[in-house]
Amino acid sequence: QQQVKQSPQSLIVQKGGISIINCAYENTAFDYFPWYQQFPGKGPALLIAIRPDVSEKKEGRFTISFNKSAKQFSLHIMDSQPGDSATYFCAASRITGGGNKLTFGTGTQLKVEL
Amino acid sequence: SAVISQKPSRDICQRGTSLTIQCQVDSQVTMMFWYRQQPGQSLTLIATANQGSEATYESGFVIDKFPISRPNLTFSTLTVSNMSPEDSSIYLCSVESLKAVVSYNEQFFGPGTRLTVL
Repeated sequence: QQQVKQSPQSLIVQKGGISIINCAYENTAFDYFPWYQQFPGKGPALLIAIRPDVSEKKEGRFTISFNKSAKQFSLHIMDSQPGDSATYFCAASRITGGGNKLTFGTGTQLKVEL
Repeated sequence: SAVISQKPSRDICQRGTSLTIQCQVDSQVTMMFWYRQQPGQSLTLIATANQGSEATYESGFVIDKFPISRPNLTFSTLTVSNMSPEDSSIYLCSVESLKAVVSYNEQFFGPGTRLTVL
């Protein structure tokens, strides 16, 4: 069962444009929603994360928007640059004493063109 | 964030053999995890590596196939046993860092081990 659905599968954006990636989750017990960026041949790198007590979090050009009632969250990359070309994964988890077991979305391949 | 290294970075193995992957962290961490990422796919949690006790496996993964050790707070190994071509994947370890201020259990990943089974 896919607990975190991610779209689109791939995305092409012009340099300077806005990249938007969407995720939806099913488990209402999830309380931590990170986004990871992965370049070819590398491990995923934590980009930004949000807890459900806020509706938006911004770090530089990256913003997470969170809609608890709709069980959806999205990543917005402002002023997209060619160096942002990578695969992006959303994830969700419920933080417990047993650790932060992440459930990942299927990934979005972003290409930013000049 | 913690600096995480994995060995080997890649390997090509024959069917029926086993490979042990090492994960080393530059600081003590409470939680360590092992994930699998099949080619072009997402990441799937294999197990939680518990220090001083048996690993906790997720549904679909068993200890006989993926034995895990964690002898201390900075090191863990994952063995892929009796390999078949279906085991060809990237295997990643991750560690959890507790941010006391906001109680985020941020998780950081190693560079991964790319395994090809012939």
